[in-house]
Amino acid sequence: DAKTTQPPSMDCAEGRAANLPCNHSTISGNEYVYWYRQIHSQGPQYIIHGLKNNETNEMASLIITEDRKSSTLILPHATLRDTAVYYCIVILDRLMGGKLIFGQGTELSVKP
Amino acid sequence: DARVTQTPRDKVTEMGQEVTMRCQPILGHNTVFWYRQTMMQGLELLAYFRNRAPLDDSGMPKDRFSAEMPDATLATLKIQPSEPRDSAVYFCASGLVRSGGPPWELFFGEGSRLTVL
Repeated sequence: DAKTTQPPSMDCAEGRAANLPCNHSTISGNEYVYWYRQIHSQGPQYIIHGLKNNETNEMASLIITEDRKSSTLILPHATLRDTAVYYCIVILDRLMGGKLIFGQGTELSVKP
Repeated sequence: DARVTQTPRDKVTEMGQEVTMRCQPILGHNTVFWYRQTMMQGLELLAYFRNRAPLDDSGMPKDRFSAEMPDATLATLKIQPSEPRDSAVYFCASGLVRSGGPPWELFFGEGSRLTVL
């Protein structure tokens, strides 16, 4: 599975959009991009995933570049409760389902 | 709300003692993962199961760790004997994989915090 690179930390003002980048330059054609987050002392929580197209759900939007070598997770209106570590994971969706390997993630601090 | 349940939430034990952590996956999920989290190593995958069969336990120290699924409603992670370096938060997660289906999401429990003195 492809490796990912994320900035270790980012700040965002409350109410503004938080844009979290992820580099996955070695991604292959059938690997998906997943995003999870972990709020302090809780288990990680699924946010969103995508393959080629941009995706949006009630939590966030995922923008994947055309060459698929990078992506951006967008929290449109960040709140204090969005303060967490955000993990970008690339995984091959094999028939039996792949295993999620977490990197170090980006620690997002949303400030008032 | 369906959720993954882990017990105990907190465990303090002495070096050399046996520790068993339990996980009840979400009903109907066919895949269970065990992760360990420390400040130094982050989230490490220890083992995972599909339909109760172990698929990969390469992340687990074999000499002292063992993971099993006695039935579909229970997964266990055992450490014997425990050592101070095993101190960590252990997370269980479950998910549903459909053969040939779309990607799936994992649901994590709240973790078991283990302290080995």
